[in-house]
Amino acid sequence: NAGVTQTPKFQVLKTGQSMTLQCAQDMNHNSMYWYRQDPGMGLRLIYYSASEGTTDKGEVPNGYNVSRLNKREFSLRLESAAPSQTSVYFCASVPRAGGATEAFFGQGTRLTVV
Amino acid sequence: AQSVTQLGSHVSVSEGALVLLRCNYSSSVPPYLFWYVQYPNQGLQLLLKYTSAATLVKGINGFEAEFKKSETSFHLTKPSAHMSDAAEYFCAVSGDQAGTALIFGKGTTLSVSS
Repeated sequence: NAGVTQTPKFQVLKTGQSMTLQCAQDMNHNSMYWYRQDPGMGLRLIYYSASEGTTDKGEVPNGYNVSRLNKREFSLRLESAAPSQTSVYFCASVPRAGGATEAFFGQGTRLTVV
Repeated sequence: AQSVTQLGSHVSVSEGALVLLRCNYSSSVPPYLFWYVQYPNQGLQLLLKYTSAATLVKGINGFEAEFKKSETSFHLTKPSAHMSDAAEYFCAVSGDQAGTALIFGKGTTLSVSS
């Protein structure tokens, strides 16, 4: 089973460039999340989608946009990349947001902005 | 808002010693609590979760955690550390309401020496 698939795995951008991080899950989950991981900061929530057609801001949404394309796919877009967005990005999915359901994570996208 | 605080960003133990990783939560209602583990260059995977069914929760790889409401704690323990336990550990919290996001602590890196 593929689970949660993120593309690309690595990316280097120049300041000001744009890009979209892709995430797809094949578990028929309703809810999906985007986190960024930085040393000493843990995982910080950027945006999440509790269900198809809805998105909500997390702790650090500035500089990002998201699209819940369908139930399977949840993309994260950087319109004008900045060095402060250098990070490892993780996508996760859960059967439903809230409650005791286990989150399943992708392998991460390591993004460097120069 | 719900949150978790992990005490100690880095814990070092000898092989065979007790592992104790601390997590305190902040929530106005009984939360759902989780411990996740991240091995180098990988995504996160669930170790165990608290769902109010039992205060002592057993997880994978010999880990367990005890929910203590009076102390608002959910500390992770393992009686005897193994070299393969070296990883980063994250405590996380979710609420009962539909659409509640999964929020992580800053993580604790566990080092195990021989």
